[in-house]
Amino acid sequence: EDQVTQSPEALRLQEGESSSLNCSYTVSGLRGLFWYRQDPGKGPEFLFTLYSAGEEKEKERLKATLTKKESFLHITAPKPEDSATYLCAVRWGGNTPLVFGKGTRLSVIA
Amino acid sequence: GAGVSQSPRYKVTKRGQDVALRCDPISGHVSLYWYRQALGQGPEFLTYFNYEAQQDKSGLPNDRFSAERPEGSISTLTIQRTEQRDSAMYRCASSLVGSGTGELFFGEGSRLTVL
Repeated sequence: EDQVTQSPEALRLQEGESSSLNCSYTVSGLRGLFWYRQDPGKGPEFLFTLYSAGEEKEKERLKATLTKKESFLHITAPKPEDSATYLCAVRWGGNTPLVFGKGTRLSVIA
Repeated sequence: GAGVSQSPRYKVTKRGQDVALRCDPISGHVSLYWYRQALGQGPEFLTYFNYEAQQDKSGLPNDRFSAERPEGSISTLTIQRTEQRDSAMYRCASSLVGSGTGELFFGEGSRLTVL
């Protein structure tokens, strides 16, 4: 059973068309939920860390929120340069490594 | 450069050969992670180190895979008797201490192709 599930697998938006990406998780004792951006041919790049339900983080056109079972990455008025794969990861208990989801491939069309 | 450096960037080998992939983390970063990423998938954890101590190797697929970080800096991931199913992008990441903040710095990866 996947511990981290991201949806949709792929999303195509027109420039300026706001939307949200979802990350749901099944682990208990969450010690952090993390969002990364990955451009083609590159390694993932850190965006946000969320620790507790109700927490929100923002960076430019991106806002990440967290509930007890899922996180959303809201993209407001996206631009073509926001096109990338967005990865969600979780960490639970002690000193455990990050467990990544499969990602959502976002394409923003001008 | 100031980022995580991996070499080789591309490696093509024949089935049955051994390969060694190298990772040079960001200076001062205590923790070093190895992940494997298949096309269209998220990174899959293999192993990690704090300083020279291997903390968790639960993600290594089998005993053909091993990793070391003898001086607490550069790390080598070794795959013995390679098989076609080992073909993937191998990514190294480092962080200051542990993964508490979740801020891992990834290298550009080593793409392994086993013929």
